[in-house]
Amino acid sequence: QSVLTQPPSVSGAPGQRVTISCTGSSSNIGAGYDVHWYQQLPGIAPKLLIYGDNNRPSGVPDRFSGSKSGTSASLAITGLQAEDEADYYCQSYDSSLNVLWVFGGGTKVTVL
Amino acid sequence: EVQLVESGGGLVQPGRSLRLSCAASGFTFDDYAMHWVRQVPGKGLEWVSGITWNSGSIGYADSVKGRFTISRDNSKNSLYLQMNSLRVEDTALYYCAKDIGTYYDSGYPDYWGQGTLVTVSS
Repeated sequence: QSVLTQPPSVSGAPGQRVTISCTGSSSNIGAGYDVHWYQQLPGIAPKLLIYGDNNRPSGVPDRFSGSKSGTSASLAITGLQAEDEADYYCQSYDSSLNVLWVFGGGTKVTVL
Repeated sequence: EVQLVESGGGLVQPGRSLRLSCAASGFTFDDYAMHWVRQVPGKGLEWVSGITWNSGSIGYADSVKGRFTISRDNSKNSLYLQMNSLRVEDTALYYCAKDIGTYYDSGYPDYWGQGTLVTVSS
C-alpha cells in the first residue's frame, strides 16, 4: 500500500486531456512539501517530468503540467499522444515516516 | 549526458549478501547526493537509502536499516549498496538515482539508472 494514492489507470484518445490524481495527507502533500512526477516508459528508467509541483525540466513538452491543492496533486496531459503511454508516479516527502521519499503506486496511461 | 549504470544484481539465497554498484558519468559526481530506490516488478517505487556528497550524512528506510550499507567513492565516480541478510521481500529492481542537490535529505531525484535486478530466493 503506497503512502500516496494514485488511480491504477487512466485512458484517453489521441488529442484528449487526461489527469492523474495523487492523494496524500497532512504529513506529506498537505504539509506543503513539493510534489514531483516521473514518467516511466516500458522497460525504461523513470524520467523526471514535473518538479516542485508545477515546473517542467528542460525538454519536457508543455503538454504536461502539474498542480497541487490541499492534500492532493494532479498531473495533466493535454493533447495526448501515443508516446505518452507509460506509467506515471508522484513523489513527495513525509514528515511522519522513517523514509525520506514517498511515492504513489503509479498510474498506467493508455492511449486508445 | 548524465549516465548511471548499475551492476551487481543477481539471484541470491535468503540470508546471503550482495553488493550493488553504480557507475556515474556526465556530471560532477562529488557535487551531488545519491540514492538507491527499488521497485518490485509491476509494483511501485520505494526509497531505500541516500548519501550526501561527501558521505557525511546517510539515511536508510526502516525496511533495510541495519542490513544495507550505502557508500560512495568520489575518486571512482561510483555509488555502492552492500546488502546483507537478504530477505525474499528484498527482491526488486534496484535503481541508482542522482539528487538535484548536495544533501540527500532535501532534494529529489532528477536522473535514474536503468536498474539492476536482485532476486532473493531459495
